[in-house]
Amino acid sequence: QVQLVQSGAEVKKPGASVKVSCKASGYTFTSYGISWVRQAPGQGLEWMGWISAYNGNTNYAQKLQGRVTMTTDTSTSTAYMELRSLRSDDTAVYYCARGFGTGIDYWGQGTLVTVSS
Amino acid sequence: QTVVTQEPSLTVSPGGTVTLTCASSTGAVTSGYYPNWFQQKPGQAPRALIYSTSNKHSWTPARFSGSLLGGKAALTLSGVQPEDEAEYYCLLYYGGAQGGVFGGGTKLTVL
Repeated sequence: QVQLVQSGAEVKKPGASVKVSCKASGYTFTSYGISWVRQAPGQGLEWMGWISAYNGNTNYAQKLQGRVTMTTDTSTSTAYMELRSLRSDDTAVYYCARGFGTGIDYWGQGTLVTVSS
Repeated sequence: QTVVTQEPSLTVSPGGTVTLTCASSTGAVTSGYYPNWFQQKPGQAPRALIYSTSNKHSWTPARFSGSLLGGKAALTLSGVQPEDEAEYYCLLYYGGAQGGVFGGGTKLTVL
């Protein structure tokens, strides 16, 4: 069965960086992209970007350009999302999800990132 | 900046039918935006319901259907069940630098 298992919660200080992992299993990793979505407390979903696990091509949300980097390690079927220069309004649950374009299907369980001094 | 708009809240009676819509600030929503619909319950990750306007995932209950309606993407629930009470989000893909944009969500109450 398809599973996306994310890394654990993180607490970071303003200005720091965070790297969240998303380990995929149950399917051929390079056959799908991975999307990243975040949700601030009590707020809606925000699309952050996407990476092709086939060739590493990325597409980032304009507001995050320059602060976010998405990568994959095909040897371990793991996707990563790094966000730099963290601010308090980056506090959110970060989700990875399989797919892009025509559709997203499976989601990870979410990773809470708290930015606080 | 592109804005995707959904009804903030809707109420439906058990067994009833309700349609949620998803509009784009850029104009009519077409199949080229590959509308996706997701359901989210409190404390849970979102769950995918519909992709590419009207296609259901293997786990999507038959009472959920997706379509294009009056220039918007639409999600219709027929024969609503109490467990359908949740927040529903649409996602539209604009391509290029715009990428994907979620709607603000519709809180569906079953009462």
